[in-house]
Amino acid sequence: QKEVEQDPGPLSVPEGAIVSLNCTYSNSAFQYFMWYRQYSRKGPELLMYTYSSGNKEDGRFTAQVDKSSKYISLFIRDSQPSDSATYLCAMSTTTNTGNQFYFGTGTSLTVIP
Amino acid sequence: NAGVTQTPKFQVLKTGQSMTLQCAQDMNHEYMSWYRQDPGMGLRLIHYSVGAGITDQGEVPNGYNVSRSTTEDFPLRLLSAAPSQTSVYFCASSSWDRYQETQYFGPGTRLLVL
Repeated sequence: QKEVEQDPGPLSVPEGAIVSLNCTYSNSAFQYFMWYRQYSRKGPELLMYTYSSGNKEDGRFTAQVDKSSKYISLFIRDSQPSDSATYLCAMSTTTNTGNQFYFGTGTSLTVIP
Repeated sequence: NAGVTQTPKFQVLKTGQSMTLQCAQDMNHEYMSWYRQDPGMGLRLIHYSVGAGITDQGEVPNGYNVSRSTTEDFPLRLLSAAPSQTSVYFCASSSWDRYQETQYFGPGTRLLVL
């Protein structure tokens, strides 16, 4: 079983729609939860970072963490064509030699104008 | 700041050849890491380093070596390339503030092993 499971999509929505992206995980030692956005042929860039259960909002983006269910979500409101990208969830745990990160496989999102 | 830079952008190798993927950062970050990204597998950690002289293995270290002689550079070596190492390789460096660790990724190196 993978540490992090993410529906690969692809997901196609009209401009202005609300997008919901989700990941589940199995390791209860994960302490930090992230969402990255990756444009085609580019490196991932950090979008959201949370370390506790609950919601965190940043503009049109809301990250939600439910540690009891081992489930995280990213919501995008008023989606724009520029949001078209692959979204990766990631989680990390602290070891003796630093944080180790585990990524989902990514969900490909296309926002149609 | 150039951020995280990687060279080469693209490389074709024959099975058994060796090569070094270069990674450099100018942000004075202590933590650096190497990932490979494959379809359906996502990003998987190969090796990481928490500072000069300190490295450790990630999830998929076999077939790869690393060293960290300076804060800026973190090269990844393939000693004897295999077709299974065909992938896109990303280097990243991390910074911590009080509440958040931010990983900055390089543009990637696309490697094809024939």
